[in-house]
Amino acid sequence: AQKVTQAQTEISVVEKEDVTLDCVYETRDTTYYLFWYKQPPSGELVFLIRRNSFDEQNEISGRYSWNFQKSTSSFNFTITASQVVDSAVYFCALSLLDSNYQLIWGAGTKLIIKP
Amino acid sequence: DAGVTQSPTHLIKTRGQHVTLRCSPISGHKSVSWYQQVLGQGPQFIFQYYEKEERGRGNFPDRFSARQFPNYSSELNVNALLLGDSALYLCASSSGQSTNEKLFFGSGTQLSVL
Repeated sequence: AQKVTQAQTEISVVEKEDVTLDCVYETRDTTYYLFWYKQPPSGELVFLIRRNSFDEQNEISGRYSWNFQKSTSSFNFTITASQVVDSAVYFCALSLLDSNYQLIWGAGTKLIIKP
Repeated sequence: DAGVTQSPTHLIKTRGQHVTLRCSPISGHKSVSWYQQVLGQGPQFIFQYYEKEERGRGNFPDRFSARQFPNYSSELNVNALLLGDSALYLCASSSGQSTNEKLFFGSGTQLSVL
């Protein structure tokens, strides 16, 4: 069965701290894609990154970085020097080639950045 | 350019009623997907339409239906509303139909069923 687990329901840190959001996925497929989306209080989900299963290179985009490890089926997301504007719910999602066109979503991690 | 637009933003209905939600994709996008998001949970896939044809359907009852128009806008219809249908309904558009597409989401329609 395909599944995405985000074990951290809520994380609260003080501004400028680094924070890592965990994502663990389950699939027997060898070809798949992993995503991270951000959902601010406005409700609109915003795409952050897409990674395919054949590309295990870590990626950095400004203060954001992603660590993809197939050996542990994890795709973790780190925010360095967090800012209040980073406060949102973050979702990890999995898509398969033969998944009826649907994304499989984790339950999300609510990130609170305190000033 | 306008993003994905959804209407209405909020809706209150009573059990047994019918509701129609609307979505306009980003210009040039031919794929529209619908998701239901219950408070505190991740989105659940309902439908995907591409070029006016249904390409995928999630595990939702037949009370849920959708269609896509020639201009690629879409409607989601829910009949015989239940209290459990209360949720945020999200529409997403993409240029293609593959599962690896980057999705662009609207702000959603918050449906409350009383």
